[in-house]
Amino acid sequence: GENVEQHPSTLSVQEGDSAVIKCTYSDSASNYFPWYKQELGKRPQLIIDIRSNVGEKKDQRIAVTLNKTAKHFSLHITETQPEDSAVYFCAASSQGGKLIFGQGTELSVKP
Amino acid sequence: DADVTQTPRNRITKTGKRIMLECSQTKGHDRMYWYRQDPGLGLRLIYYSFDVKDINKGEISDGYSVSRQAQAKFSLSLESAIPNQTALYFCATSDFGTSGRNSYNEQFFGPGTRLTVL
Repeated sequence: GENVEQHPSTLSVQEGDSAVIKCTYSDSASNYFPWYKQELGKRPQLIIDIRSNVGEKKDQRIAVTLNKTAKHFSLHITETQPEDSAVYFCAASSQGGKLIFGQGTELSVKP
Repeated sequence: DADVTQTPRNRITKTGKRIMLECSQTKGHDRMYWYRQDPGLGLRLIYYSFDVKDINKGEISDGYSVSRQAQAKFSLSLESAIPNQTALYFCATSDFGTSGRNSYNEQFFGPGTRLTVL
């Protein structure tokens, strides 16, 4: 069935370093790839998304890249700050317009 | 501000009890979803609805049922709760896609309901 794999499950970086989270998807018909951030005790919120007709998208310190041939996409956070600490989820739209989420990555940014 | 709300926010119940979780939204969105979140498993889709007359099963629908009472309301029921249904449950909404059923837009999540089944 449709599947999204996300790695790593936990990631610890020093403040100011970069962080990269990677996801792969199984359904070649997927055409929308959002990333959500969930702070402790809060609801997930969209931070950036990319559609299949674009290879890269950037918004200030965060960027997402998409490789449709390899069926993988990545989230890049530069100049990390303590407030970037959260759980990050990738997702891919599958047939029928629903989202399939990855397992999540717990990012810890140490001051 | 337009929002997605869930009731109750916390619930402790016993095995075999019937439980209903409610979701309401003032965003005017057509699409609504129910997810459960478990540590290490991410967000898994239980049911989704693209309009009042449309109900679809997600990845893990067994043991759950839903009702779309109106555009703004989508309820999740556990007919006979069991301990492995202990989880954090989220409702979400989104706009209708711009290019048909397979198009997708940002999902807005409710605050979540923490359910414990003893």
